[in-house]
Amino acid sequence: GQSLEQPSEVTAVEGAIVQINCTYQTSGFYGLSWYQQHDGGAPTFLSYNALDGLEETGRFSSFLSRSDSYGYLLLQELQMKDSASYFCAVRPPGATNKLIFGTGTLLAVQP
Amino acid sequence: EAGVAQSPRYKIIEKRQSVAFWCNPISGHATLYWYQQILGQGPKLLIQFQNNGVVDDSQLPKDRFSAERLKGVDSTLKIQPAKLEDSAVYLCASSREGGGSPQYFGPGTRLTVT
Repeated sequence: GQSLEQPSEVTAVEGAIVQINCTYQTSGFYGLSWYQQHDGGAPTFLSYNALDGLEETGRFSSFLSRSDSYGYLLLQELQMKDSASYFCAVRPPGATNKLIFGTGTLLAVQP
Repeated sequence: EAGVAQSPRYKIIEKRQSVAFWCNPISGHATLYWYQQILGQGPKLLIQFQNNGVVDDSQLPKDRFSAERLKGVDSTLKIQPAKLEDSAVYLCASSREGGGSPQYFGPGTRLTVT
């Protein structure tokens, strides 16, 4: 089966850089995705790592290392609007784009 | 383009009653998903459709939950009878075919079972 663990809460200040980690125990998967969810809102897609390495999209970057069973989301130049929950998710093998989500990390950005 | 639409946004029912949720995916998206998100947890996939066929319903409690996707577009999710533990947000998402395609989520239906 698949199990993805994330820190439950992270706090940072505006303008700072924060890293949200995702460690997983899984027998295999096709890729690691990250989604953002504001309180009361819908999850929105941020990034997808099909291969090991770093993917950069504006202020957000995501990293995957299959050998270390580890990934992270890096948020730079933090803004107040980045306060939200962040979920990592994997595509398990044998599935058609099915996602299994992690436990989620609540990011609080302070002024 | 218009996003994923869901209704109702909120629903309060008593246990043992029935409830239905509706979802209209993004136009052209062949794949539709229903997720259950309990407060403080990540979304959990209940059922996945490819066009109007079921791809995965391994985590759908089939004794009380049912879903259909008529004509490969709109979908409904029904709970009958509801239990207290069904209180959650029910999210509908859609995506294009192909592995790795981003899933686009609707605003969800917040269900409270009393």
